[in-house]
Amino acid sequence: DGGITQSPKYLFRKEGQNVTLSCEQNLNHDAMYWYRQDPGQGLRLIYYSQIVNDFQKGDIAEGYSVSREKKESFPLTVTSAQKNPTAFYLCASSIRSQGAVGNSPLHFGNGTRLTVT
Amino acid sequence: SQQGEEDPQALSIQEGENATMNCSYKTSINNLQWYRQNSGRGLVHLILIRSNEREKHSGRLRVTLDTSKKSSSLLITASRAADTASYFCATAISGNTPLVFGKGTRLSVIA
Repeated sequence: DGGITQSPKYLFRKEGQNVTLSCEQNLNHDAMYWYRQDPGQGLRLIYYSQIVNDFQKGDIAEGYSVSREKKESFPLTVTSAQKNPTAFYLCASSIRSQGAVGNSPLHFGNGTRLTVT
Repeated sequence: SQQGEEDPQALSIQEGENATMNCSYKTSINNLQWYRQNSGRGLVHLILIRSNEREKHSGRLRVTLDTSKKSSSLLITASRAADTASYFCATAISGNTPLVFGKGTRLSVIA
């Protein structure tokens, strides 16, 4: 079955430590995204990538970093510079319909819940 | 930046009733999409409606779009307990910008 796999489902870290969240897709999608969701809130875009070796900042990129070395993988690192990292992180992917990211539905993974104490 | 805003924030109905959720947005859009999220899970795409479309159907779902009022509605007919979830609208300002999500409507369907 094609889909997006996020791991781990739950992650606990001490304040001051960097942590990397994994996201893998086998849908052959060009575009991948990271969103953050806080309780009772919508999704806020952290980073997105339209093609391999290229990515763009979203609305809340500060304190996060990404890489896109392979089409199927888009890991997110939450650095110690992120002031409030505890949240639910969602990875998504999409095709680039007509060469653009906004024309297509997103396929989501089931998220990683990060708790930093 | 939050483009879409859903209304109501929460909705509780009896099984078999219809549920209507609304989404208002601020700027012109290329398309608007509705998603569903079960508690603790990822979002699932429901319907995409383009700016030149006024209504779309998918099973028990009906979505309307009024670009003059910058608003959309999602109607779920004959609701079931399994429809209990949060529903989000998301807008694409252009084909080349990622989706921007609203804060969602929490729907509870009571059996």
